[in-house]
Amino acid sequence: DQQVKQNSPSLSVQEGRISILNCDYTNSMFDYFLWYKKYPAEGPTFLISISSIKDKNEDGRFTVFLNKSAKHLSLHIVPSQPGDSAVYFCAASAADSWGKLQFGAGTQVVVTP
Amino acid sequence: NAGVTQTPKFRVLKTGQSMTLLCAQDMNHEYMYWYRQDPGMGLRLIHYSVGEGTTAKGEVPDGYNVSRLKKQNFLLGLESAAPSQTSVYFCASSQTTGFPQETQYFGPGTRLLVL
Repeated sequence: DQQVKQNSPSLSVQEGRISILNCDYTNSMFDYFLWYKKYPAEGPTFLISISSIKDKNEDGRFTVFLNKSAKHLSLHIVPSQPGDSAVYFCAASAADSWGKLQFGAGTQVVVTP
Repeated sequence: NAGVTQTPKFRVLKTGQSMTLLCAQDMNHEYMYWYRQDPGMGLRLIHYSVGEGTTAKGEVPDGYNVSRLKKQNFLLGLESAAPSQTSVYFCASSQTTGFPQETQYFGPGTRLLVL
């Protein structure tokens, strides 16, 4: 049973526009959420994270929003650039879980010129 | 500082053969993890270790064994490979102090094909 879901397997966006990636979770014990970015033939790299005590975290062009009541988080990329074309994974962790992460299936983002 | 490295990058096995995947990290991290990635399923945790000499089962441990004899190394073994173990395997590590332990750093992956 997948506890972290990314329902959009792919997203196409024009360069300069906003990319919005969505992630839903079912486990109310999750208290830390992360986004990873993955290029082909490489390992995932950490992008941005948010603790459950916050509802927004921003890092440059990347902003993550958390809606705990809806068990939903989203990643906004503004403005989107061709180098942002990658697979984005949402991940979540529960307290005292030894750092173990539950991953979503990923969303393939393609940024077109 | 190489971060997390994995050996080999690619391997083809016949059903029933055995092999060991090696993961090494030079960040002095306590925690290490092995994942597999399959199409449409994201990353699933196979085994993990919270320190030298310790290992524990993750979400999909069957058919795999692990060892953490040295802090910097985490080995994943397949004793009798099956076609269902065809996958991309990622190793990751994380630290326990000064930064959320949930932030894991990944290796480049090992692509395994079992025929």
